[in-house]
Amino acid sequence: QSALTQPASVSGSPGQSITISCTGSSSDVGNYNLVSWYQQHPSNAPKLMIYGDTKRPSGVSNRFSGSKSGNTASLIISGLQAEDEADYYCCSYAGGSTWVFGGGTKLTVL
Amino acid sequence: EVLLVESGGGLVRPGGSLRLSCATSGFTLSNYDMHWVRQATGRGLEWVSLIGSTGDTYFADSVKGRFTISRENAKNSLYLQMNSLRADDTAVYYCTRGDGYNTPFDYWGQGTLVTVSS
Repeated sequence: QSALTQPASVSGSPGQSITISCTGSSSDVGNYNLVSWYQQHPSNAPKLMIYGDTKRPSGVSNRFSGSKSGNTASLIISGLQAEDEADYYCCSYAGGSTWVFGGGTKLTVL
Repeated sequence: EVLLVESGGGLVRPGGSLRLSCATSGFTLSNYDMHWVRQATGRGLEWVSLIGSTGDTYFADSVKGRFTISRENAKNSLYLQMNSLRADDTAVYYCTRGDGYNTPFDYWGQGTLVTVSS
């Protein structure tokens, strides 16, 4: 159950697009279409933003999208807004009814 | 409205025990998987445990043999019994709902802080 690998931080200016990567292995990210992404503002609980690699829950802005290639999943945020500044976590099903999270990425909107 | 409210956190000495509760509302608990996820201060999220809608239980290696998870559907409640607590169990513990494996954590509680210290 090794944590997925995410960059510690990314940044972008308002209106720009950014991508956060999430690298796992053929035992988790690469073996299932079950990567999800969570947004967490300081002192708040995480919020589901993407599930099933690419699906967006109702109510989540279409500026957020997900993709995956091999063992690496990505969260893309387009048209960056100040309110997007938060920590972002990826998560993958890892088999045997267990899940593994990434270490988290701090997004700064410049 | 789906609501999850954790309680039972606090300060406990190493080797001690604590029982967390999660009161749920706004959905039929028996129809859903339920998880516990924890977050040490300033650190990332860590999946802890799952209890399926049918009662099957699963645990992260880090807590296996020390933690148990249970549910009382009639009381709309989820529990986490934590024994043999260690300093590295110190974290905010979140109760989360799972809508199948495709959507493992679609709703979260506000969390309850567990501090293991002498």
